[in-house]
Amino acid sequence: DIQMTQSPSSLSASVGDRVTITCQASQDISNYLNWYQQKPGKAPNLLIYDASNLETGVPSRFSGSGSGTDFTFTISSLQPEDIATYYCQQYDDIPLTFGGGTKVEIK
Amino acid sequence: EVQLVQSGAEVKKPGESLRISCQGSGYSFTTYWISWVRQIPGKGLEWMGTIDPDDSYTNYSPSSQGHVTISADKSVSTAYLQWSSLKTSDTAIYYCARHQRSVAPFDCWGQGTLVTVSS
Repeated sequence: DIQMTQSPSSLSASVGDRVTITCQASQDISNYLNWYQQKPGKAPNLLIYDASNLETGVPSRFSGSGSGTDFTFTISSLQPEDIATYYCQQYDDIPLTFGGGTKVEIK
Repeated sequence: EVQLVQSGAEVKKPGESLRISCQGSGYSFTTYWISWVRQIPGKGLEWMGTIDPDDSYTNYSPSSQGHVTISADKSVSTAYLQWSSLKTSDTAIYYCARHQRSVAPFDCWGQGTLVTVSS
């Protein structure tokens, strides 16, 4: 199985701050990497697919980059409605696997 | 509007059987695969397996293989996740999600079904 190591596991930042989350795959997954946002009590929601493509309707303050084994997810200016847990997911190989999640809170 | 609507919360005893459902609407059900994802409350996401509703081809994670059955009935645009003998460790929220190919981003999710297994 491909292991996805996400960091940090939690972070606290101020409104307007730039927030960065990293995800490392245990082997080369090319760009087969997605980012999801999960708000409390809700289902996950796709934000970024294929490492860097913004899903339709997702605000442009969200972005992703990387390829191979190292990936980055960025919120350029944190907003109160961005409070959530963020997960990376690889789909290069079955079983599909998720990172452990990053809980983002407002300072 | 594209939607996946899941069946309601369940409370079961160990050893009982259960089938939960996920009905798609607003799109051609047979042109997207459905995966099931498990989440223990307060914990992360775990992919369980996937089905192609067009031909019912399935693929399971090693940890789910043999413990659950994924099926689909394209005549009612519904996918199912089934247990023949529940364990207390099956207590979790179960999400269905659609994707365009056997492996692809999950672009639409159901609202989740909480399954509680307790004696």
